[in-house]
Amino acid sequence: AQSVTQPDIHITVSEGASLELRCNYSYGATPYLFWYVQSPGQGLQLLLKYFSGDTLVQGIKGFEAEFKRSQSSFNLRKPSVHWSDAAEYFCAVGSRTGTASKLTFGTGTRLQVTL
Amino acid sequence: KAGVTQTPRYLIKTRGQQVTLSCSPISGHRSVSWYQQTPGQGLQFLFEYFSETQRNKGNFPGRFSGRQFSNSRSEMNVSTLELGDSALYLCASSGKQGASGETQYFGPGTRLLVL
Repeated sequence: AQSVTQPDIHITVSEGASLELRCNYSYGATPYLFWYVQSPGQGLQLLLKYFSGDTLVQGIKGFEAEFKRSQSSFNLRKPSVHWSDAAEYFCAVGSRTGTASKLTFGTGTRLQVTL
Repeated sequence: KAGVTQTPRYLIKTRGQQVTLSCSPISGHRSVSWYQQTPGQGLQFLFEYFSETQRNKGNFPGRFSGRQFSNSRSEMNVSTLELGDSALYLCASSGKQGASGETQYFGPGTRLLVL
């Protein structure tokens, strides 16, 4: 069964500082990988996704993520955090088999940004 | 293009009642998935519908059911509500093919409170 681990429940960074959110997955092959962000009271917004090809993926709002097969990781990074980035971030895995769409999510990392 | 819409946004029910939540996918999308989000269990997959057929189901009791209409709109129903059903229910739609790995776009969710 596929699974996702986000080891950091809560992270605090200063505005302007760099950010890295960790994500490790368990899957029999190379999965589809996603990062979503959720602001309070809102649904999930897709930041970026990895399907195949270049292992460094660029997303919206200046985020990027790197797929590392050897480490089963898909960490999210941003070089300079803005106060508006404060939110909860979810890493998700999608299966490559079958035709059904089903995402398995990590438990999320809550990002706090100090001014 | 309009996003995924969910109605109602907020709902208060009492134990033993039943509830129906509605989701309208992005125009042209034929796959609709439902997720439950709670502080304790995180984001969990409920089920997925494509072309009016349930293709995948998560590990939830039979009190949770759903359906999809010919216009791809979907409803989910929870019967005999329990306190533990209090959650944010998120709907997501994806692609014309509903293929594995297609990006899922989430609605704002329906927050259900069971008293």
